[in-house]
Amino acid sequence: AQKVTQAQTEISVVEKEDVTLDCVYETRDTTYYLFWYKQPPSGELVFLIRRNSFDEQNEISGRYSWNFQKSTSSFNFTITASQVVDSAVYFCALSAKQGYQKVTFGTGTKLQVIP
Amino acid sequence: NAGVTQTPKFQVLKTGQSMTLQCAQDMNHEYMSWYRQDPGMGLRLIHYSVGAGITDQGEVPNGYNVSRSTTEDFPLRLLSAAPSQTSVYFCASSTLVGGYEQYFGPGTRLTVT
Repeated sequence: AQKVTQAQTEISVVEKEDVTLDCVYETRDTTYYLFWYKQPPSGELVFLIRRNSFDEQNEISGRYSWNFQKSTSSFNFTITASQVVDSAVYFCALSAKQGYQKVTFGTGTKLQVIP
Repeated sequence: NAGVTQTPKFQVLKTGQSMTLQCAQDMNHEYMSWYRQDPGMGLRLIHYSVGAGITDQGEVPNGYNVSRSTTEDFPLRLLSAAPSQTSVYFCASSTLVGGYEQYFGPGTRLTVT
């Protein structure tokens, strides 16, 4: 069985603050993929990043960065200098080798960036 | 290149009615899936398919049927709608190579009264 926990239901920050969204996962497989998706208020789901279990290198894309730590089964997402356009629900997801096709999503973290 | 399309965008059904949510993709993706999104529950997988003629159940398949006769289309059928099926439904597709990052359709908001 696989599980994704996003313990932060809602977060509010003031514009230009940094914010970290937590994601903790569970799987018995040694080969797996982790994802982050963004769902802005308009409702569509947008893929942000994929990381496989063999690549623990952190990734930075502009103001976004991701910290993958297998030792703590975490794949956290940090937004630096947040902007109002970052306001959205963010989902972490997992697909593991035993059931690659069965992607498990977390319950999401709603981020509100206040101007 | 339209990506993943879903119709209708909104639908209201009465309890017991049946209907089909349409999903199509033009990216030649082998994998397609249906999710429902409910407040506080994230996205839950209903059914998925890894190619034409091949479908399987996800986490919450009861009350839904799917078929995949072509690579492009993956319709979701509600057999006898119930208020518990009020939700937002998303269709997604991906390749079978490289970890399954999915491309989502715009969603269908379904209300069952």
